[in-house]
Amino acid sequence: QKEVEQDPGPLSVPEGAIVSLNCTYSNSAFQYFMWYRQYSRKGPELLMYTYSSGNKEDGRFTAQVDKSSKYISLFIRDSQPSDSATYLCASPGPSGNTPLVFGKGTRLSVIA
Amino acid sequence: DARVTQTPRHKVTEMGQEVTMRCQPILGHNTVFWYRQTMMQGLELLAYFRNRAPLDDSGMPKDRFSAEMPDATLATLKIQPSEPRDSAVYFCASAPGLNTEAFFGQGTRLTVV
Repeated sequence: QKEVEQDPGPLSVPEGAIVSLNCTYSNSAFQYFMWYRQYSRKGPELLMYTYSSGNKEDGRFTAQVDKSSKYISLFIRDSQPSDSATYLCASPGPSGNTPLVFGKGTRLSVIA
Repeated sequence: DARVTQTPRHKVTEMGQEVTMRCQPILGHNTVFWYRQTMMQGLELLAYFRNRAPLDDSGMPKDRFSAEMPDATLATLKIQPSEPRDSAVYFCASAPGLNTEAFFGQGTRLTVV
């Protein structure tokens, strides 16, 4: 079992829809979680960074961590065609001092 | 404009040939990573360095892959001999530390025929 699992999709939604992207992780000691966004033919870029449980909001994006179920979510409100990309969840591991472990990424298409 | 620079962006080579990929990390970042991305496996960590010292290269096939940091401004990933299964996008990333944001380069798209 990979440490971070993610449904690869693809996911296709109409413009304006609320998007929910999800990951699960296997090690309950993980504390830091990141969401990266990767446009086609580009490198991943950090979108959001959260620590432990709860929600973090940044504009149209909300990252949520549920430690009891080991579930990580990224919500996108009022989705735009420019949000079309692959979204990868990641964690630096239990101590926060190991390289990032990535999920496989979910490919999202927002259709105008 | 601080960014990670990778060369070449694209490489097509024949099986058995040597391939060298280069990376210039962001100045001041002491941690450098090499990742490989494929549709099947996603992003896989191949190796990483801290202050130019290799910390872990267990993700690399040792018989054909090697990673080095000759100096603080250059990291290299070499494949010799290359095989078709090595076809992938190879990313270099740098970071101020291990649990901080990693900044990725644009990647080297390698095709081995």
